[in-house]
Amino acid sequence: AQSVTQLDSQVPVFEEAPVELRCNYSSSVSVYLFWYVQYPNQGLQLLLKYLSGSTLVESINGFEAEFNKSQTSFHLRKPSVHISDTAEYFCAVSPSLSGGYNKLIFGAGTRLAVHP
Amino acid sequence: EAGVTQFPSHSVIEKGQTVTLRCDPISGHDNLYWYRRVMGKEIKFLLHFVKESKQDESGMPNNRFLAERTGGTYSTLKVQPAELEDSGVYFCASSLQMNTGELFFGEGSRLTVL
Repeated sequence: AQSVTQLDSQVPVFEEAPVELRCNYSSSVSVYLFWYVQYPNQGLQLLLKYLSGSTLVESINGFEAEFNKSQTSFHLRKPSVHISDTAEYFCAVSPSLSGGYNKLIFGAGTRLAVHP
Repeated sequence: EAGVTQFPSHSVIEKGQTVTLRCDPISGHDNLYWYRRVMGKEIKFLLHFVKESKQDESGMPNNRFLAERTGGTYSTLKVQPAELEDSGVYFCASSLQMNTGELFFGEGSRLTVL
């Protein structure tokens, strides 16, 4: 069975500072990896995903995540955060999507609080 | 284009009562999912509809939970009778395809059972 561990429940950071949100997973089969974000009073939105190819994936708003198979990690990073990045971030995995469906296994979430 | 909408946003009921949560997916999305987050923990899968058929209901906690999607449009999730441990946020999501990992979530329905 797959599981996801987000190592930090809360991450406070000052505006324009770098941030890393950590995510580790366990699985006996190949997985696909996702980061979702939930802004206040909104539903979860897909931030970025790794399905195959380059292990470094980027989002349109400056976040990036790197798939590290040997360390079973998919940490999310941003070199300079903005107040508007304040949100809860969820790491998720899914077993092989070949012939499958979107049954995502989520971590417990990390609350990112960006302070001025 | 309207997103996934859920109703009610918050429901407070007594133990033993019944609650029905509703989800309207994005128009044209055949795939509809229910997830639940209890006490700030992981968001856990409950079930998946393809149109009106249940594709996978392996995450449903017990037979007090009943999900329906008549006509393949909106879905309801009924909890009867509600127990204290059913408190949490119930998320609905929809997707156009089954194998992209991209789900579109609603804001969730918060259920509090007293």
